[in-house]
Amino acid sequence: DAGVIQSPRHEVTEMGQEVTLRCKPISGHDYLFWYRQTMMRGLELLIYFNNNVPIDDSGMPEDRFSAKMPNASFSTLKIQPSEPRDSAVYFCASSPQGIGHQPQHFGDGTRLSIL
Amino acid sequence: QQQVKQSPQSLIVQKGGISIINCAYENTAFDYFPWYQQFPGKGPALLIAIRPDVSEKKEGRFTISFNKSAKQFSLHIMDSQPGDSATYFCAASMEGRGSNYKLTFGKGTLLTVNP
Repeated sequence: DAGVIQSPRHEVTEMGQEVTLRCKPISGHDYLFWYRQTMMRGLELLIYFNNNVPIDDSGMPEDRFSAKMPNASFSTLKIQPSEPRDSAVYFCASSPQGIGHQPQHFGDGTRLSIL
Repeated sequence: QQQVKQSPQSLIVQKGGISIINCAYENTAFDYFPWYQQFPGKGPALLIAIRPDVSEKKEGRFTISFNKSAKQFSLHIMDSQPGDSATYFCAASMEGRGSNYKLTFGKGTLLTVNP
């Protein structure tokens, strides 16, 4: 079975532009997570969904960030307008519903550079 | 506020040696403690996990030791190999409304195993 698929793998854009990151979770997984990874702050959870519904968005840094999950097989993370401090690696992860904690399966990330 | 503190930041070990990475947590409501392994250019992947009702869990060369009273847990890699060179993250999670499966990560340890 295919893993979590993220696109694009790399994105370089200028400050002020809109950026859209995409994620396809593993089929059948009910949870989807968006993380940001930087050297300074490590791995930070931005938002997560359960059955396409946002459950906790307390990690979203500010209103410039938004995330959607229109269906079970697709999610987007949008930054508008982008700023240089948004440069980071963004990961999407998914996990199945089950009894107790289930492992999160990560994609290979999108490396975002804002000039 | 960092809820999971990880040390050391980096570690160099000779092939065949023992690698030890430590983590401490603050929130006593945490009830699941996974370790994730990340190779360059890849997303983190679950390595091993423990619940607080046991003091140790072993899977091959990897062992988690857990000290509930001290609120600490550690990862031991026996007979370390160059292929173990990666970044290791400890994490913690709790069940409960609004926080199911939400992982809080430590900042990571870059392990280098010299041949």
